[in-house]
Amino acid sequence: DTAVSQTPKYLVTQMGNDKSIKCEQNLGHDTMYWYKQDSKKFLKIMFSYNNKELIINETVPNRFSPKSPDKAHLNLHINSLELGDSAVYFCASSRRGPRNTEAFFGQGTRLTVV
Amino acid sequence: DQQVKQNSPSLSVQEGRISILNCDYTNSMFDYFLWYKKYPAEGPTFLISISSIKDKNEDGRFTVFLNKSAKHLSLHIVPSQPGDSAVYFCAASSFDQGAQKLVFGQGTRLTINP
Repeated sequence: DTAVSQTPKYLVTQMGNDKSIKCEQNLGHDTMYWYKQDSKKFLKIMFSYNNKELIINETVPNRFSPKSPDKAHLNLHINSLELGDSAVYFCASSRRGPRNTEAFFGQGTRLTVV
Repeated sequence: DQQVKQNSPSLSVQEGRISILNCDYTNSMFDYFLWYKKYPAEGPTFLISISSIKDKNEDGRFTVFLNKSAKHLSLHIVPSQPGDSAVYFCAASSFDQGAQKLVFGQGTRLTINP
């Protein structure tokens, strides 16, 4: 029974297309995140939502739009895909408080833009 | 502007010996530090953490040491086992409006040789 699940696991698409990645967590967490792992293997935060409300937006291009229909889901929609968007995208969740808590990650979605 | 650095991209250790992975950070506002383990094609898995008010935290074979004055932390694994072969990410945490923001190092690939 997967705690944080993402779909799809692999996504290959052409430049200019619009695509979505879905994420669901069954841990009862209030906070969800999107992280991006680029070609140099750095994991960087993109967005954070608390109970469906956007909290952190790390200067990500407007083409990226997260959507949280409820606190168990955080989807990522990407418009007009570019070659540089190719990366592995990880969804994560954590409890809201206490301050020190670990985040649980999904298995990642490898996006390849051709 | 890399706030968390893991200067060793790879480390090879013999089974049964101690593995020591190092991490340095620059931002003194970080107050919680985590180690994650990652296998290929999977998401990062939480391993162990330490609060900035402590200098050591132990969990079975894993011990994390924190030297605040040096802004340095290390993960010790003893004894090392073949299943420990993975990429290890150090992460530093800051807290923003109820959401935890993790800043990751670039990872160290640990290989345990039989």
